[in-house]
Amino acid sequence: GIQVEQSPPDLILQEGANSTLRCNFSDSVNNLQWFHQNPWGQLINLFYIPSGTKQNGRLSATTVATERYSLLYISSSQTTDSGVYFCAVEYSGTYKYIFGTGTRLKVLA
Amino acid sequence: DAGVIQSPRHEVTEMGQEVTLRCKPISGHDYLFWYRQTMMRGLELLIYFNNNVPIDDSGMPEDRFSAKMPNASFSTLKIQPSEPRDSAVYFCASSTAIYEQYFGPGTRLTVT
Repeated sequence: GIQVEQSPPDLILQEGANSTLRCNFSDSVNNLQWFHQNPWGQLINLFYIPSGTKQNGRLSATTVATERYSLLYISSSQTTDSGVYFCAVEYSGTYKYIFGTGTRLKVLA
Repeated sequence: DAGVIQSPRHEVTEMGQEVTLRCKPISGHDYLFWYRQTMMRGLELLIYFNNNVPIDDSGMPEDRFSAKMPNASFSTLKIQPSEPRDSAVYFCASSTAIYEQYFGPGTRLTVT
């Protein structure tokens, strides 16, 4: 099956810093989402981005499907950005999303 | 919209007992997914439904697990009998087609 790898596994930032999270996948994908799991455990949709670039406030994402990776950019990080960021991909019409292992982000005040 | 609703939010039960988790998807969504999250295995898909019909249950760990969707607005995941290794957070998600999935708040299950 498809492999979904996220890097880095852990990240500690000072408030105000910028960061880039990466998601690599081993096969062509039809759909891709980024999620933020907050410290209370809730999974929050950030982006649905099978290709191209999207921006939402301080967050933006880019997926280069032909090169099998996606990037999530966080600018001017805030303590509320802390949590785990997951990339999830759906491939080959399986109608199943496979989740990466996540990047755990901690933003210090 | 209220989003995906799950109940209960927390469940503590003893080994051997039956556990039923409930989910109400977002109105109009025709796909419903059940996931389990553990430290060891991360987020894994258990089963999904399309128009109330189970499509793929290959992620269901064993026969002790069963899921139903009697109508478009309600689904259950049942574990009978429960075991300590079933302790996890169980998420329900819904979507229109296979595009953007929306997750419920999860049910934290503890089996002692």
